[in-house]
Amino acid sequence: QKEVEQNSGPLSVPEGAIASLNCTYSDRGSQSFFWYRQYSGKSPELIMSIYSNGDKEDGRFTAQLNKASQYVSLLIRDSQPSDSATYLCAVFSGGYQKVTFGTGTKLQVIP
Amino acid sequence: DADVTQTPRNRITKTGKRIMLECSQTKGHDRMYWYRQDPGLGLRLIYYSFDVKDINKGEISDGYSVSRQAQAKFSLSLESAIPNQTALYFCATSEPGTGLYFGPGTRLTVL
Repeated sequence: QKEVEQNSGPLSVPEGAIASLNCTYSDRGSQSFFWYRQYSGKSPELIMSIYSNGDKEDGRFTAQLNKASQYVSLLIRDSQPSDSATYLCAVFSGGYQKVTFGTGTKLQVIP
Repeated sequence: DADVTQTPRNRITKTGKRIMLECSQTKGHDRMYWYRQDPGLGLRLIYYSFDVKDINKGEISDGYSVSRQAQAKFSLSLESAIPNQTALYFCATSEPGTGLYFGPGTRLTVL
């Protein structure tokens, strides 16, 4: 079992729709969770962080965390073609000693 | 100016050559990391350093070495490059509890 799992996609959504990206992790002791956006050939860009169960909203982005289910998700409302990218889930554990990335989900927003 | 810079941005070299990739940061972070990214494999940690005197191997350190010259500088060396080290290399920085901030990357091709 991979430590951090994401569906590779591509996930295709029409412009204006809600995109839902999911991530599961295996280490129950994980403390912090992050979402990155990566455009092709570019470096990952930190877009959301979440540390406690529940939802965290920032503009069109909402991160959701459920530690009991070991599940973290990212919702993108009013999806735009510029949101087309690969989204990486990152999990910190072991007192921030260990960072594990998922392999990413490719999102395509269709105009 | 960018907070995390990497040089060179692109490099083509031959098998057996020694290569050094350099990373500098102005974020004032103590923690620095080197990752490589390959299609389908995601980001894999090569080395990380939590301060100038603390350097640790990541999951794929064989064939690589690092030097932390100062809080702001962290270099990655390939002592004798081989073709399967062809990849996109990223330097990143962080503080405890925060996400990683990535540099722009170095595209390395080993012929």
